[in-house]
Amino acid sequence: EPEVTQTPSHQVTQMGQEVILRCVPISNHLYFYWYRQILGQKVEFLVSFYNNEISEKSEIFDDQFSVERPDGSNFTLKIRSTKLEDSAMYFCASSENLAVTYEQYFGPGTRLTVT
Amino acid sequence: AQTVTQSQPEMSVQEAETVTLSCTYDTSESDYYLFWYKQPPSRQMILVIRQEAYKQQNATENRFSVNFQKAAKSFSLKISDSQLGDAAMYFCAYISIQGAQKLVFGQGTRLTINP
Repeated sequence: EPEVTQTPSHQVTQMGQEVILRCVPISNHLYFYWYRQILGQKVEFLVSFYNNEISEKSEIFDDQFSVERPDGSNFTLKIRSTKLEDSAMYFCASSENLAVTYEQYFGPGTRLTVT
Repeated sequence: AQTVTQSQPEMSVQEAETVTLSCTYDTSESDYYLFWYKQPPSRQMILVIRQEAYKQQNATENRFSVNFQKAAKSFSLKISDSQLGDAAMYFCAYISIQGAQKLVFGQGTRLTINP
């Protein structure tokens, strides 16, 4: 069964450094998302992406964040200058066609630790 | 803005017994989808069950069923014949079919299965 994959599984970085989290959505999916989950807290929406542009973003998704689909398969989340509070689990998700099922399929996540 | 509330941070059940996880939500919209996601210790979120708001019939997937009360804005998950593999965090989630494509999650309920 097709799956969303994410790399790396764990990333440790120093405050102020740039990180890129990578995701490979399910191949025939059209909608892509990033969510984050700070330890012990609920999962929060960051951004949605469709047709090569951001369709919605949350207040969390400020100028330090950016997303890109550099080729036909990868979907990346870049944090330009990491802060301690960016430490969280980051989940990528994809959806085939919102008009059909509205189901989003999640990857295993990348644990980001900012020191 | 829509909100989702899970009032049970933790629940436990004996193996083979039945357990019900509660979820309430707040929205002014009439058309939406509701989901239950399972997040095992491996941390990848897995879709358990989906309910369309326009359907009066409660969704069922094998041992998992929901009790959807639209007027009360309640969406509980019932797990029958609990198995050790059901141990996980369970998240209730809402998605609007208009405009926003983001999932709004509850705080989660940690389910423990006692052998």
